[in-house]
Amino acid sequence: AQKVTQAQTEISVVEKEDVTLDCVYETRDTTYYLFWYKQPPSGELVFLIRRNSFDEQNEISGRYSWNFQKSTSSFNFTITASQVVDSAVYFCALSVVSFNKFYFGSGTKLNVKP
Amino acid sequence: NAGVMQNPRHLVRRRGQEARLRCSPMKGHSHVYWYRQLPEEGLKFMVYLQKENIIDESGMPKERFSAEFPKEGPSILRIQQVVRGDSAAYFCASSGTGGSYEQYFGPGTRLTVT
Repeated sequence: AQKVTQAQTEISVVEKEDVTLDCVYETRDTTYYLFWYKQPPSGELVFLIRRNSFDEQNEISGRYSWNFQKSTSSFNFTITASQVVDSAVYFCALSVVSFNKFYFGSGTKLNVKP
Repeated sequence: NAGVMQNPRHLVRRRGQEARLRCSPMKGHSHVYWYRQLPEEGLKFMVYLQKENIIDESGMPKERFSAEFPKEGPSILRIQQVVRGDSAAYFCASSGTGGSYEQYFGPGTRLTVT
């Protein structure tokens, strides 16, 4: 069975702090994809990143970075020098080749205070 | 290139009425997926359709819910005799091929049942 766990329900930080959002996944498939989405208060889903299971290289995009570790089945997301505009709910998701669907975690609500 | 379009964006129905949610996939995409997001939760897969075919409806409630994707026109998610528990955001996604690795999400339809 496929499962994504985001144990942090809500995190509050002060602007300019760094924050890491955790994501742990479960799957027996060897080929899979991991995603992060941002859902701002307006409600739409904003795609942030996709990684495949064969690429464990960490990725950095501006203030965002992602740490993919197959050994611990984790795909964590770090925001450096957080800003108020980063306040949103962040979802981690998993898809596997054998099933045409995404499995979403329950989300982490990030509050960045000025 | 227009993205995935959903309408209406907001829908209010009284208990017992029918709700029809529409999804127009991205141009050239023939695969459509519906997800439901209950308040304070992550997205849950409902159904996967190709033109004129339901491929996977393992996430659809057994009663009152149906989906179609006709040869011409948008995909429709239909909820009959809505109840308060149907209040949620319904997201549609599309892909050009069976989308285990790439699904483009629409802005969602927020259904409120009064």
